Amino acid sequence: EVQLVESGGGLVKPGGSLRLSCAASGFFFSNAWMSWVRQAPGKGLEWVGRIKSKIDGGAIYYAEPVKGRFTVSRDDSKSLLYLEMNSLKTEDTAVYYCTTEGHDSCGSAWGQGTLVTVSS
Amino acid sequence: QSALTQPRSVSGSPGQSVTISCTGTSSDVGFYDYVSWYQQHPGKAPTLLIFDVTRRPSGAPDRFSGSKSGNTASLTISGLQPEDEADYYCCSYTVTDSWVFGGGTKVTVL
Repeated sequence: EVQLVESGGGLVKPGGSLRLSCAASGFFFSNAWMSWVRQAPGKGLEWVGRIKSKIDGGAIYYAEPVKGRFTVSRDDSKSLLYLEMNSLKTEDTAVYYCTTEGHDSCGSAWGQGTLVTVSS
Repeated sequence: QSALTQPRSVSGSPGQSVTISCTGTSSDVGFYDYVSWYQQHPGKAPTLLIFDVTRRPSGAPDRFSGSKSGNTASLTISGLQPEDEADYYCCSYTVTDSWVFGGGTKVTVL
Protein backbone atom coordinates (compact mmCIF):
# COMPACT_ATOMS: atom_id res chain seq x y z
CA GLU A 1 0.00 0.00 0.00
CA VAL A 2 1.31 3.42 -0.98
CA GLN A 3 1.84 5.61 2.05
CA LEU A 4 3.03 9.21 2.27
CA VAL A 5 3.56 10.88 5.64
CA GLU A 6 4.42 14.57 5.84
CA SER A 7 6.05 16.19 8.83
CA GLY A 8 7.83 19.39 9.83
CA GLY A 9 4.96 21.85 9.78
CA GLY A 10 4.43 24.45 12.47
CA LEU A 11 4.29 28.12 13.34
CA VAL A 12 6.98 30.37 11.88
CA LYS A 13 7.41 34.14 11.69
CA PRO A 14 7.39 36.00 8.38
CA GLY A 15 10.84 35.85 6.83
CA GLY A 16 11.59 32.60 8.61
CA SER A 17 12.42 29.15 7.27
CA LEU A 18 11.03 25.65 7.61
CA ARG A 19 11.82 22.25 6.13
CA LEU A 20 9.06 19.77 5.42
CA SER A 21 9.67 16.05 4.96
CA CYS A 22 7.59 13.38 3.30
CA ALA A 23 8.30 9.74 4.15
CA ALA A 24 7.26 7.38 1.36
CA SER A 25 6.61 3.65 1.49
CA GLY A 26 4.81 0.93 -0.44
CA PHE A 27 6.29 1.77 -3.84
CA PHE A 28 9.65 2.15 -5.55
CA PHE A 29 10.38 5.72 -4.47
CA SER A 30 13.53 6.08 -6.57
CA ASN A 31 11.52 5.75 -9.78
CA ALA A 32 8.72 8.09 -8.69
CA TRP A 33 8.14 11.65 -9.80
CA MET A 34 6.92 13.61 -6.78
CA SER A 35 5.10 16.88 -6.19
CA TRP A 36 4.22 19.24 -3.36
CA VAL A 37 0.73 20.75 -3.34
CA ARG A 38 -0.64 23.23 -0.80
CA GLN A 39 -4.04 24.41 0.32
CA ALA A 40 -4.53 27.67 2.17
CA PRO A 41 -7.30 27.65 4.81
CA GLY A 42 -10.69 27.60 3.09
CA LYS A 43 -9.08 27.83 -0.35
CA GLY A 44 -8.37 25.54 -3.29
CA LEU A 45 -5.40 23.37 -4.18
CA GLU A 46 -2.23 24.99 -5.51
CA TRP A 47 0.66 23.10 -7.06
CA VAL A 48 3.99 24.15 -5.49
CA GLY A 49 6.79 22.18 -7.10
CA ARG A 50 7.92 18.82 -8.44
CA ILE A 51 10.99 16.64 -8.85
CA LYS A 52 11.54 13.93 -11.40
CA SER A 53 13.32 10.70 -10.59
CA LYS A 54 17.10 10.70 -10.95
CA ILE A 55 16.88 8.06 -13.65
CA ASP A 56 14.71 10.45 -15.64
CA GLY A 57 17.07 13.35 -15.12
CA GLY A 58 16.03 14.64 -11.71
CA ALA A 59 14.74 17.98 -13.05
CA ILE A 60 12.95 20.25 -10.57
CA TYR A 61 10.19 22.73 -11.35
CA TYR A 62 8.45 25.40 -9.22
CA ALA A 63 5.30 27.47 -9.26
CA GLU A 64 5.96 31.19 -9.76
CA PRO A 65 4.86 32.28 -6.23
CA VAL A 66 7.56 30.13 -4.60
CA LYS A 67 10.36 30.27 -7.17
CA GLY A 68 13.62 31.39 -5.58
CA ARG A 69 12.31 30.81 -2.04
CA PHE A 70 11.40 27.10 -1.94
CA THR A 71 13.60 24.11 -2.80
CA VAL A 72 12.39 20.59 -3.54
CA SER A 73 14.85 17.74 -3.03
CA ARG A 74 14.86 14.02 -2.42
CA ASP A 75 16.90 11.34 -0.66
CA ASP A 76 16.23 8.10 -2.49
CA SER A 77 18.32 6.10 0.00
CA LYS A 78 15.81 7.03 2.72
CA SER A 79 12.67 7.34 0.54
CA LEU A 80 12.27 10.93 1.66
CA LEU A 81 11.01 14.00 -0.18
CA TYR A 82 11.81 17.46 1.17
CA LEU A 83 10.50 20.99 0.79
CA GLU A 84 12.86 23.66 2.08
CA MET A 85 10.97 26.92 2.54
CA ASN A 86 12.79 30.23 3.05
CA SER A 87 11.69 33.87 3.23
CA LEU A 88 8.25 32.70 4.27
CA LYS A 89 5.30 35.03 3.82
CA THR A 90 1.90 35.08 5.49
CA GLU A 91 0.38 33.94 2.20
CA ASP A 92 2.40 30.71 2.43
CA THR A 93 0.14 29.62 5.29
CA ALA A 94 -1.40 26.35 4.15
CA VAL A 95 -1.62 22.61 4.54
CA TYR A 96 1.20 21.13 2.47
CA TYR A 97 0.70 17.76 0.81
CA CYS A 98 3.23 15.56 -0.93
CA THR A 99 1.95 13.50 -3.83
CA THR A 100 3.14 10.83 -6.24
CA GLU A 101 2.74 11.70 -9.92
CA GLY A 102 1.47 8.27 -10.89
CA HIS A 103 -1.03 7.69 -13.70
CA ASP A 104 0.15 10.89 -15.47
CA SER A 105 -1.55 12.89 -12.75
CA CYS A 106 -0.50 15.55 -10.29
CA GLY A 107 -1.39 13.19 -7.45
CA SER A 108 -2.21 9.50 -7.68
CA ALA A 109 -1.54 9.24 -3.94
CA TRP A 110 -1.53 11.96 -1.28
CA GLY A 111 -0.24 12.26 2.24
CA GLN A 112 -2.40 13.54 5.08
CA GLY A 113 -0.75 16.96 4.91
CA THR A 114 1.16 19.13 7.37
CA LEU A 115 0.06 22.62 8.40
CA VAL A 116 2.41 25.54 8.02
CA THR A 117 1.35 28.79 9.68
CA VAL A 118 3.29 31.96 8.92
CA SER A 119 2.38 34.62 11.43
CA SER A 120 4.01 37.15 13.72
CA GLN B 1 0.25 29.95 -14.98
CA SER B 2 -3.35 30.94 -14.21
CA ALA B 3 -5.64 28.51 -12.44
CA LEU B 4 -8.06 26.51 -14.56
CA THR B 5 -11.64 27.79 -14.42
CA GLN B 6 -14.29 25.73 -12.66
CA PRO B 7 -17.79 26.71 -11.53
CA ARG B 8 -17.85 27.54 -7.84
CA SER B 9 -20.75 25.19 -7.16
CA VAL B 10 -23.14 22.72 -8.70
CA SER B 11 -26.01 20.85 -7.14
CA GLY B 12 -28.37 17.99 -7.89
CA SER B 13 -30.79 15.58 -6.31
CA PRO B 14 -29.87 11.96 -5.56
CA GLY B 15 -29.90 9.92 -8.75
CA GLN B 16 -29.45 12.92 -11.02
CA SER B 17 -26.40 13.64 -13.14
CA VAL B 18 -24.20 16.69 -12.73
CA THR B 19 -21.29 17.92 -14.86
CA ILE B 20 -18.38 20.07 -13.75
CA SER B 21 -16.40 21.95 -16.37
CA CYS B 22 -12.70 22.82 -16.24
CA THR B 23 -11.54 25.41 -18.75
CA GLY B 24 -7.90 26.05 -19.48
CA THR B 25 -5.88 27.14 -22.48
CA SER B 26 -4.02 25.72 -25.45
CA SER B 27 -0.97 25.54 -23.15
CA ASP B 28 -2.48 23.09 -20.70
CA VAL B 29 -5.87 21.36 -21.08
CA GLY B 30 -5.90 21.90 -24.83
CA PHE B 31 -2.33 20.69 -25.31
CA TYR B 32 -2.11 17.52 -23.23
CA ASP B 33 -4.44 14.65 -22.37
CA TYR B 34 -3.05 14.74 -18.83
CA VAL B 35 -6.14 16.02 -17.06
CA SER B 36 -7.03 14.49 -13.73
CA TRP B 37 -9.88 15.03 -11.27
CA TYR B 38 -9.88 14.89 -7.46
CA GLN B 39 -12.52 14.59 -4.78
CA GLN B 40 -11.95 16.18 -1.40
CA HIS B 41 -14.18 15.79 1.63
CA PRO B 42 -13.87 18.37 4.45
CA GLY B 43 -10.72 17.90 6.50
CA LYS B 44 -9.43 15.12 4.27
CA ALA B 45 -6.72 14.84 1.64
CA PRO B 46 -7.86 14.77 -2.01
CA THR B 47 -8.26 11.43 -3.77
CA LEU B 48 -7.79 10.69 -7.47
CA LEU B 49 -11.01 10.05 -9.41
CA ILE B 50 -10.01 10.36 -13.07
CA PHE B 51 -6.66 10.51 -14.89
CA ASP B 52 -5.65 10.90 -18.54
CA VAL B 53 -8.98 12.73 -19.13
CA THR B 54 -11.17 9.62 -19.11
CA ARG B 55 -9.53 6.80 -17.12
CA ARG B 56 -10.55 5.70 -13.64
CA PRO B 57 -8.05 4.31 -11.14
CA SER B 58 -8.84 1.10 -9.35
CA GLY B 59 -11.43 1.79 -6.67
CA ALA B 60 -12.99 4.89 -8.21
CA PRO B 61 -16.76 4.40 -8.67
CA ASP B 62 -17.86 4.03 -12.30
CA ARG B 63 -20.51 6.73 -11.89
CA PHE B 64 -17.63 9.19 -12.32
CA SER B 65 -16.55 9.84 -15.91
CA GLY B 66 -14.37 12.36 -17.68
CA SER B 67 -14.20 13.93 -21.12
CA LYS B 68 -12.49 16.75 -22.95
CA SER B 69 -13.23 19.03 -25.89
CA GLY B 70 -10.68 21.62 -26.93
CA ASN B 71 -9.54 23.61 -23.91
CA THR B 72 -12.33 22.35 -21.64
CA ALA B 73 -12.41 19.13 -19.65
CA SER B 74 -15.48 17.86 -17.83
CA LEU B 75 -16.31 15.53 -14.96
CA THR B 76 -19.74 13.93 -14.91
CA ILE B 77 -21.26 12.26 -11.89
CA SER B 78 -24.08 9.97 -13.03
CA GLY B 79 -26.54 8.87 -10.39
CA LEU B 80 -25.56 11.34 -7.68
CA GLN B 81 -25.14 9.79 -4.22
CA PRO B 82 -25.22 11.60 -0.85
CA GLU B 83 -21.56 10.70 -0.29
CA ASP B 84 -20.63 12.56 -3.48
CA GLU B 85 -21.15 15.85 -1.65
CA ALA B 86 -17.59 17.21 -1.64
CA ASP B 87 -15.20 19.59 -3.37
CA TYR B 88 -13.87 18.59 -6.80
CA TYR B 89 -10.69 19.82 -8.48
CA CYS B 90 -9.28 19.37 -11.94
CA CYS B 91 -5.54 19.41 -12.67
CA SER B 92 -3.68 19.62 -15.97
CA TYR B 93 -0.09 19.29 -17.13
CA THR B 94 1.28 22.39 -18.84
CA VAL B 95 3.79 23.24 -21.56
CA THR B 96 6.18 24.53 -18.87
CA ASP B 97 6.46 21.06 -17.27
CA SER B 98 4.33 22.17 -14.35
CA TRP B 99 0.86 21.35 -13.07
CA VAL B 100 -2.08 23.70 -12.67
CA PHE B 101 -5.24 23.14 -10.66
CA GLY B 102 -8.74 24.43 -11.12
CA GLY B 103 -10.25 26.66 -8.45
CA GLY B 104 -12.51 23.87 -7.20
CA THR B 105 -16.22 23.13 -7.37
CA LYS B 106 -18.46 22.40 -4.42
CA VAL B 107 -21.02 19.71 -5.21
CA THR B 108 -24.16 19.78 -3.09
CA VAL B 109 -26.58 16.87 -3.00
CA LEU B 110 -30.03 18.31 -2.42
